[in-house]
Amino acid sequence: KQEVTQIPAALSVPEGENLVLNCSFTDSAIYNLQWFRQDPGKGLTSLLLIQSSQREQTSGRLNASLDKSSGRSTLYIAASQPGDSATYLCAVLNPPSGTYKYIFGTGTRLKVLA
Amino acid sequence: GAVVSQHPSRVICKSGTSVKIECRSLDFQATTMFWYRQFPKKSLMLMATSNEGSKATYEQGVEKDKFLINHASLTLSTLTVTSAHPEDSSFYICSAREPGQGIDTQYFGPGTRLTVL
Repeated sequence: KQEVTQIPAALSVPEGENLVLNCSFTDSAIYNLQWFRQDPGKGLTSLLLIQSSQREQTSGRLNASLDKSSGRSTLYIAASQPGDSATYLCAVLNPPSGTYKYIFGTGTRLKVLA
Repeated sequence: GAVVSQHPSRVICKSGTSVKIECRSLDFQATTMFWYRQFPKKSLMLMATSNEGSKATYEQGVEKDKFLINHASLTLSTLTVTSAHPEDSSFYICSAREPGQGIDTQYFGPGTRLTVL
């Protein structure tokens, strides 16, 4: 059974710092991994999607890497801003045992201090 | 990207009543929709997979008689929480998969906050 864990659970940093969020998964047989952002009381915003054959994806100040063999992904945020404060979730898409479905991680609550 | 809406965004109901939540794909036809539940400060847990024109597939531990799912059309899936109790209070999020766009193209709705008094 796939399990997805994110470390740290919470993080508070001063504005301008570069930071790394970690995601690990127990079953390396995934189709892709996706990073989401969730603001309090809101839905999900997709940030980056990495296919199983890819090693990284970049969008603006965000860079996500994937090491499928070791079951790890990292989300790198450069020059953090107070507006980056949110919960970040990673999710892996598993091979189907019926249908394709995402398994979500436990999330990292990020607070960037002005 | 494609848009998925949910209605209502927030609902408060009395214990024992039933509540229906709608999930709509606004600009594409979704043969498959997913329903998730999120407890405060917790991650999303998949509840069930909703397939148009057929019965939903529920995850282990989810009561199918309590959480009724109907996917009657290619743009609408509904989740009905029957005889709601305070422990059903949660944030419910749906997602919809756009066919022909790859297995990984799922779009998430904005969520519905359910509070049962």
